[in-house]
Amino acid sequence: DAGITQSPRHKVTETGTPVTLRCHQTENHRYMYWYRQDPGHGLRLIHYSYGVKDTDKGEVSDGYSVSRSKTEDFLLTLESATSSQTSVYFCAIARGGDQETQYFGPGTRLLVL
Amino acid sequence: QKEVEQDPGPLSVPEGAIVSLNCTYSNSAFQYFMWYRQYSRKGPELLMYTYSSGNKEDGRFTAQVDKSSKYISLFIRDSQPSDSATYLCAMSAKAAGNKLTFGGGTRVLVKP
Repeated sequence: DAGITQSPRHKVTETGTPVTLRCHQTENHRYMYWYRQDPGHGLRLIHYSYGVKDTDKGEVSDGYSVSRSKTEDFLLTLESATSSQTSVYFCAIARGGDQETQYFGPGTRLLVL
Repeated sequence: QKEVEQDPGPLSVPEGAIVSLNCTYSNSAFQYFMWYRQYSRKGPELLMYTYSSGNKEDGRFTAQVDKSSKYISLFIRDSQPSDSATYLCAMSAKAAGNKLTFGGGTRVLVKP
């Protein structure tokens, strides 16, 4: 157990509405990540953070923004949700001397109608 | 062409058999190689982690990395129905900030 919680665990929303997903960790890790998982695409990195207020884009960042104002919380925001953002979203933290191993949260299932 | 290729399966084996999984990759800079297990509707769980080439064993699980062939494998001995899951390979390079690149996953079904 990596001490990661995600909220909400399930959400249904309508196209065009803003959505914020929260990732909370209890172990004070510096690196945190947001992924989405879709059939046929596996896990793809959306954004990541390497410290408070330090974030960078991943492979599929368009339409998403992130914020990290505290070490323990990493927020993912869909500014205006689209049906293509229907997915399962996972948060992860990194451990190890080189931050080389990642541990995942339980996921958030998002359906955009 | 994806950077990491993994056969999606499903791979169906009888209980007690050896499960053999593999991934190929194209980026020679990858240094860290991982295998994750993911049960349905759960988050990925780190199973094995290997740095560079070689073998690593942990209980019934053996991970192999052949960097010269850009090929990694995971073997599960004495498979159990509880091993039924999707197995994801992932790899990273320190020079790229150790951002993980995943294969698409192989679904494994172990039949009693």
